Amino acid sequence: GAVVSQHPSWVICKSGTSVKIECRSLDFQATTMFWYRQFPKQSLMLMATSNEGSKATYEQGVEKDKFLINHASLTLSTLTVTSAHPEDSSFYICSARAGGASGANVLTFGAGSRLTVL
Amino acid sequence: DAKTTQPTSMDCAEGRAANLPCNHSTISGNEYVYWYRQIHSQGPQYIIHGLKNNETNEMASLIITEDRKSSTLILPHATLRDTAVYYCIAGSSNTGKLIFGQGTTLQVKP
Repeated sequence: GAVVSQHPSWVICKSGTSVKIECRSLDFQATTMFWYRQFPKQSLMLMATSNEGSKATYEQGVEKDKFLINHASLTLSTLTVTSAHPEDSSFYICSARAGGASGANVLTFGAGSRLTVL
Repeated sequence: DAKTTQPTSMDCAEGRAANLPCNHSTISGNEYVYWYRQIHSQGPQYIIHGLKNNETNEMASLIITEDRKSSTLILPHATLRDTAVYYCIAGSSNTGKLIFGQGTTLQVKP
């Protein structure tokens, strides 16, 4: 089946530094990937849609200069949290559409990346 | 995307069927119903999806009412490993994105 891999699984960084999270579709090509964040005991919140070869589309309230998204190939999207602060500590999850039934939009999710900013 | 409403939590005895309801009364004609689950500290796992007809796969069954305003996910023989948060999502393939609600926390008890 379709597999989406995220790296790193967890990362701890100092306040003010930048952190890059990679999302790879291992056995399929994904022109579109999605980035979510999840705080403890809350649901997933969609941050942005990552489009291969073009700029990402951000959801309302998400700072595009804070969360840089690059989708340079059909199998890789990256999320960079710039100048991270403790309030950016969260669980970041990516997903990609692996095809399937016509008209449906079944997404495959990565295992998530837990960011802790000290 | 249409809003969905689910009970906050449910319990189920191990070995029994778990029936998880979802209300999506504002669903539009081209929106599918998707079910995902999330086990603690992991990424969501796809379970099943449907448009109009009932669906069944190796994990679960999805029953969609004729007016499509609600649906029920059925785990036929729940195990302890089915303890998770279950999300019902109504989404269109036009945008491709899925918007998660609060989900139902299912606790399977021995």
